[in-house]
Amino acid sequence: DGGITQSPKYLFRKEGQNVTLSCEQNLNHDAMYWYRQDPGQGLRLIYYSQIVNDFQKGDIAEGYSVSREKKESFPLTVTSAQKNPTAFYLCASSIASGQSEQYFGPGTRLTVT
Amino acid sequence: QKEVEQDPGPLSVPEGAIVSLNCTYSNSAFQYFMWYRQYSRKGPELLMYTYSSGNKEDGRFTAQVDKSSKYISLFIRDSQPSDSATYLCAMSGYNTDKLIFGTGTRLQVFP
Repeated sequence: DGGITQSPKYLFRKEGQNVTLSCEQNLNHDAMYWYRQDPGQGLRLIYYSQIVNDFQKGDIAEGYSVSREKKESFPLTVTSAQKNPTAFYLCASSIASGQSEQYFGPGTRLTVT
Repeated sequence: QKEVEQDPGPLSVPEGAIVSLNCTYSNSAFQYFMWYRQYSRKGPELLMYTYSSGNKEDGRFTAQVDKSSKYISLFIRDSQPSDSATYLCAMSGYNTDKLIFGTGTRLQVFP
């Protein structure tokens, strides 16, 4: 059963703590992406990775970090430096970099209090 | 001005109606146009993907792109209550990883 999995579905953290969101895909896609979704706003790109061991900042990378050690995995860390971390986080992948067809995972709802 | 504008709705229609969802954009470099459907608290699902101008049909769904007017549409025929969701348009230029999303239109189809 191919697809993108994100875990957990809901995550709660106290302010000042770092938290890592998981994203795994078994589609054999080269490129992976992290977006953030807030009410009334379009999806905004946080980071993306075109290939293993490489990643680039998106439009709102401040306060976030990523790694891409394996093709299948692209975890996102929300650090304490992120001023408004509460949001719905979406991971996506595409078969190759520059291919516009991106497929999304189910998302993780992060709440920081 | 946002690069992509999309009416947030909600758009409420009776079952069986034809639904028209629209986005306008300002960047003439956009070449690829997508429509995603997103149910509440779920990830977006790719519905339609088109390149440049023209129409594309898939079952009850038709996507139209008018690059001269910088306007894209998604038509849903014979709408069903299961079509109730938020519809996001997205677009990108050639050979880029960046998709630009609209804010989404919430659609409600009542029986």
